[in-house]
Amino acid sequence: DAGVIQSPRHEVTEMGQEVTLRCKPISGHDYLFWYRQTMMRGLELLIYFNNNVPIDDSGMPEDRFSAKMPNASFSTLKIQPSEPRDSAVYFCASTSLRSSTSGREVGTGELFFGEGSRLTVL
Amino acid sequence: AQKVTQAQTEISVVEKEDVTLDCVYETRDTTYYLFWYKQPPSGELVFLIRRNSFDEQNEISGRYSWNFQKSTSSFNFTITASQVVDSAVYFCALSSYNFNKFYFGSGTKLNVKP
Repeated sequence: DAGVIQSPRHEVTEMGQEVTLRCKPISGHDYLFWYRQTMMRGLELLIYFNNNVPIDDSGMPEDRFSAKMPNASFSTLKIQPSEPRDSAVYFCASTSLRSSTSGREVGTGELFFGEGSRLTVL
Repeated sequence: AQKVTQAQTEISVVEKEDVTLDCVYETRDTTYYLFWYKQPPSGELVFLIRRNSFDEQNEISGRYSWNFQKSTSSFNFTITASQVVDSAVYFCALSSYNFNKFYFGSGTKLNVKP
């Protein structure tokens, strides 16, 4: 089975530019999380969705950040305008509380992480 | 408030030594879950274990073992006979009973030298 897929893997941009990070969760998962990882602040939860609905965005740093989940198989995290302090690795993760269609329980709370998108804002 | 503390920022050991990574948590929930994740140098985050708050049995999986003590709010992770491939950052995490929020500690970087 395909895991969580994130793109791009690496992005280098200049301050002020718009950045869009993309995530495809594991099929059947109903929770999607966006995390940011930096040396200074570790892993920070930015926002999470349940059934495509944003549940808690209290971790979103400021209005420059926005996230959407138009359907169960796609989510975006957008930064506009980007700033050098946004440089970080952004992880998307998904999980489910329901059993999968194959019968194997996936509701163990295990977060399945993508490989991350490393963003550098110059 | 929910909080996970990993006081050890970085640990260095020589191969074959045993090493314990500490994790202390805070929560007001009566039902919660604790996790350990591994982040090798390649950057991905790999799930290692989940523990329920109502199950304090220790667990062993190969060279890995976990000691959950509710009385001290600790969930420590021990690697026996460490190997160079164990070098990674290890994160302890706490989630509420319905998994809708995960709180990660700051991580402990383990360096295993040959």
